[in-house]
Parts: sequence; C-alpha cells; structure tokens
Amino acid sequence: GAVVSQHPSRVICKSGTSVKIECRSLDFQATTMFWYRQFPKQSLMLMATSNEGSKATYEQGVEKDKFLINHASLTLSTLTVTSAHPEDSSFYICSAGTGNNQPQHFGDGTRLSIL
Amino acid sequence: GENVEQHPSTLSVQEGDSAVIKCTYSDSASNYFPWYKQELGKGPQLIIDIRSNVGEKKDQRIAVTLNKTAKHFSLHITETQPEDSAVYFCAASLGGGATNKLIFGTGTLLAVQP
Repeated sequence: GAVVSQHPSRVICKSGTSVKIECRSLDFQATTMFWYRQFPKQSLMLMATSNEGSKATYEQGVEKDKFLINHASLTLSTLTVTSAHPEDSSFYICSAGTGNNQPQHFGDGTRLSIL
Repeated sequence: GENVEQHPSTLSVQEGDSAVIKCTYSDSASNYFPWYKQELGKGPQLIIDIRSNVGEKKDQRIAVTLNKTAKHFSLHITETQPEDSAVYFCAASLGGGATNKLIFGTGTLLAVQP
C-alpha cells in the first residue's frame, strides 16, 4: 500500500527558531500533497495544498510567509515553520495519494513543541 | 465552503457491541466520503471510504452508509474489540482522491470497554 513518511517525528526548540518538516511518498509519486495542523483533542485543519513544481495554495487565515512550503520533487514536500513561537506548537501532518481516484494516505505526523 | 458535522463526540461501548458514528455535510456537490481512524500520537489511517454513486459499502466488521438526499453518512462497526478504541474522523471531498482537499469532521473518541 501507499506509504507516506514524515521526518522528524518530534521537535522541541526555542522560540524564534525555524523548523523544517519533511513529507515523503515512499513508494509512489505525488504531484499533490497536503499539510494539516491538529491541536490537542481537535480535528485536522487543512493548512495548504502543496503542488510539485508550483506555488502552494494556502487556506484562508494561514500565513504563507510563516509556513513555507516547497514541493521540490514528486516524492518530497517540506514545510518550514519560520521564526516559530509557542503558539505554533501543534501536531503537523501531511497526506498524499497515488492518483486522482485513489484515497489520501497520511504520515504519522510531527509533534512540534516551541519553548 | 463545505462543512462537516460529526456526532457523537465521545462513544463508549461494551466489547462485542456495535458502534455507530454519524456525519452530515453541507455541500451537495461533495462526492467522496472517507473515514479515518487515528490512534494516539499517530496520523490518521484510512479504514473505509464511499463514493456518491454507492449507498453502502462493507469491509468485514466495518460498513459505511450514505444518504445523498439527506446529506449524511454513517460508520458502523460491529462486534467491537478493545483495539477499535481510537478517534474516528469522517471527511468529505469534492471530486475525491489524491488531488482534492478533504474537509474533516470534528472527530469521535470511541472507547471499547473489555
């Protein structure tokens, strides 16, 4: 089955640090990947759609200069949280699918804690 | 835009009993409805999905029903086991598949008591 891998699984860093999270499709190519944020005991909120070879599409209210997305290849998308602050602490999850009529599969998420 | 409501927020059942989780959606154009199971500290895992051209789909102990007229769909788990305990999310999508964004419900915490 389709496998989506995220790295790192856990990050703890100081306020003001920029953090990069990687999302890889291990056994398939993905022209589109999605980035979600999930606060404790809440649902997944879509942040942006990552498109290979073009700019990401951000959801309303998500700062594109704060959350930089780069979809460098058909198997890798990265999310960089720039100048992270405690309020950016959350669980960040990516998803991808193998084709237009195939379901999305999720990575195991990255727990980001900003001190 | 699409809005998905999910009920109940918590559900406790005895092992062996059935569990039902219900979702409603607002956009009649939505045509793909997956269900995900999320265990603590992990990403969501797809357990079953249904498209709008089908009214019901079953996979062993799990089934999903869709009522397009009423714009609601439900997850049914029979013969529940302790390992079914997790948070379950429904979602809706226009177009479905890997390139269309999913709108998630608020989640249901299912606890199966042994």
